Amino acid sequence: QVQLVQSGAEVKKPGASVKVSCKASGYTFSSFFIHWVRQAPGQGLEWMGIINPSAGSTSYAQKFQGRVTMTRDTSTSTVYMELSSLTSDDTAVYYCARDRALTVGGTFDFDYWGQGTLVTVSS
Amino acid sequence: DIVLTQSPGTLSLSPGERATLSCRASQSFSSNYLAWYQQKHGQAPRLLIYGASTRATGIPDRFSGSGSGTDFTLTISRLEPEDFAVYYCQHYATFGQGTKVEIK
Repeated sequence: QVQLVQSGAEVKKPGASVKVSCKASGYTFSSFFIHWVRQAPGQGLEWMGIINPSAGSTSYAQKFQGRVTMTRDTSTSTVYMELSSLTSDDTAVYYCARDRALTVGGTFDFDYWGQGTLVTVSS
Repeated sequence: DIVLTQSPGTLSLSPGERATLSCRASQSFSSNYLAWYQQKHGQAPRLLIYGASTRATGIPDRFSGSGSGTDFTLTISRLEPEDFAVYYCQHYATFGQGTKVEIK
């Protein structure tokens, strides 16, 4: 069965960076785009970006340009999201999610989600 | 950028009742790219509907989606106890702010 398993909770100080992993299994890793979505406490969902696991190409939300980097390791079927220059506003649960369809550019609906990784930024 | 506005913010209903949730877009777009998600407390969102009206795998037929252009609707025909949750609509990189369906 399709699974996305994320790394554990992190506590970081302001100004630091965090790297969250998302290990995929149960399907052909290179065939489906992966998105990252975050959710601040008590708030809604916010799309951060997308990575093509086959080519490694990425596209980021303008809000995170220059601060986020998404990469992948095809040998372990793992996608990574690194966010730098953290502030308290980055405290959130970060999710990876699989794009539903085998379509160039993705369909931007997400059929499988990781369990979420809580990142807390606090001095 | 397209803005999605969901209404109402909170819907208070009893099990067995019908729920109608609205998602209005600031400009028209293809219904191929409108999705609905359900999120329960402490859990990841779950895809319910894509392409405005197609149920995702395993989603009960009491959930239905409709609409086009700028106005989209998620309907839950008869609320089950497990349906009380927050629902989000989505178009590409944009999510609505959510509608909470709570027990009356």
